[in-house]
Amino acid sequence: QVQLVQSGAEVKKPGSSVKVSCKASGGTFTDYSISWVRQAPGQGLEWMGGILPIFDTANYAQKFQGRVTITADKSTTTAYMELSSLRSEDTAVYYCAREVVVPAAIGSSGWFDPWGQGTLVTVSS
Amino acid sequence: SYELTQPPSVSVSPGQTASITCSGDKLGDKYVCWYQQKSGQSPVLVIYEDNKRPSGIPERFSGSNSGNTASLTISGTQAMDEADYYCQAWDSRVFGGGTKLTVL
Repeated sequence: QVQLVQSGAEVKKPGSSVKVSCKASGGTFTDYSISWVRQAPGQGLEWMGGILPIFDTANYAQKFQGRVTITADKSTTTAYMELSSLRSEDTAVYYCAREVVVPAAIGSSGWFDPWGQGTLVTVSS
Repeated sequence: SYELTQPPSVSVSPGQTASITCSGDKLGDKYVCWYQQKSGQSPVLVIYEDNKRPSGIPERFSGSNSGNTASLTISGTQAMDEADYYCQAWDSRVFGGGTKLTVL
């Protein structure tokens, strides 16, 4: 059973960067993708991007292109999400989630399960 | 970019049926997931591939998807079902804005 454990809360200055980790255990790290989703205070879920560790290929939501970098270390079964040029609007809880993708009659199907416990990133001067 | 619309809130009495909708252009042509998020907790998958339940999710949770609307139905709603619910269109990974379910 896959479990995802994230790094602790961070407080950052505007303009700086933050790197959040997500350690996977209980499964085969190269069998699935890891996605990152954030949730601003009192707001909904927002997909940022994901990575397929077996190929080291990442894809990003258009909104975050150029500002987010998602990587994975197969040797430690850990995924990372780095967000740069932080601003106050980036204050949010950042979640990692295992992304299950399966072939379907048309295209593919998938879902996020399980999720990490979340990491609060606070951007404040 | 693709957009999904959910009602901000739904109220239901204990034991009754709650229905939460999720609307998007030709949503019925896509696979939809639903997640439950209780206060202060991480989201939990409750429905995938429109209408399948992961192991451990009670049978009172069901889903459907046709046309432009997907629905999450909770039969015999219990107090423990009070939470925010989010739909997701899988191909774009986009989430709906979320629906707060109140059981009163």
